[in-house]
Amino acid sequence: DAKTTQPPSMDCAEGRAANLPCNHSTISGNEYVYWYRQIHSQGPQYIIHGLKNNETNEMASLIITEDRKSSTLILPHATLRDTAVYYCIVRAGTGANSKLTFGKGITLSVRP
Amino acid sequence: EAGVVQSPRYKIIEKKQPVAFWCNPISGHNTLYWYRQNLGQGPELLIRYENEEAVDDSQLPKDRFSAERLKGVDSTLKIQPAELGDSAVYLCASSLRLGYDEKLFFGSGTQLSVL
Repeated sequence: DAKTTQPPSMDCAEGRAANLPCNHSTISGNEYVYWYRQIHSQGPQYIIHGLKNNETNEMASLIITEDRKSSTLILPHATLRDTAVYYCIVRAGTGANSKLTFGKGITLSVRP
Repeated sequence: EAGVVQSPRYKIIEKKQPVAFWCNPISGHNTLYWYRQNLGQGPELLIRYENEEAVDDSQLPKDRFSAERLKGVDSTLKIQPAELGDSAVYLCASSLRLGYDEKLFFGSGTQLSVL
């Protein structure tokens, strides 16, 4: 599975959009981009995933560049409860050798 | 619907003692994972089960760690004997692994402190 690069931390104001970047320049055509987040003292929580097209659900939007070498997770109206570590993961399907490999993630701090 | 349940939530033991963690996955989920998370790091996969079969245990330190998933439901992860470096959060996750989509659901973890 391709590696991802995320800045170590960022912050945003409550009520504003939080745009979390992720670089995955070596991504292959069959690899999906997944986002999970981990709030303090809890296990990671699935947010969203995508292959080529932009995706949106009740939690967030995922914007993947046309060349698929980077993506952005957007939390449209960040709240204090969105303060967490966000993991961007690239994964090739669910084949026998496919696994979810976590990096250090990006720590998002939402300030009042 | 109940999520992934892990127990105990916290465990403090002395080195060289044995310890066991228990996980009850979401009903109907065929795949179960054990991850270890050190402070300030992302979770690292220890073992993956498909039903009762351990299909990926390449990262499990087999000299002291063991795991089982009897009847393809609950799972237990054991360390014997524990070492100081085993202090970490042990996370269990489950999923319904079908096709290309797989969403993992994690428990809250067991925080292990080895003194």
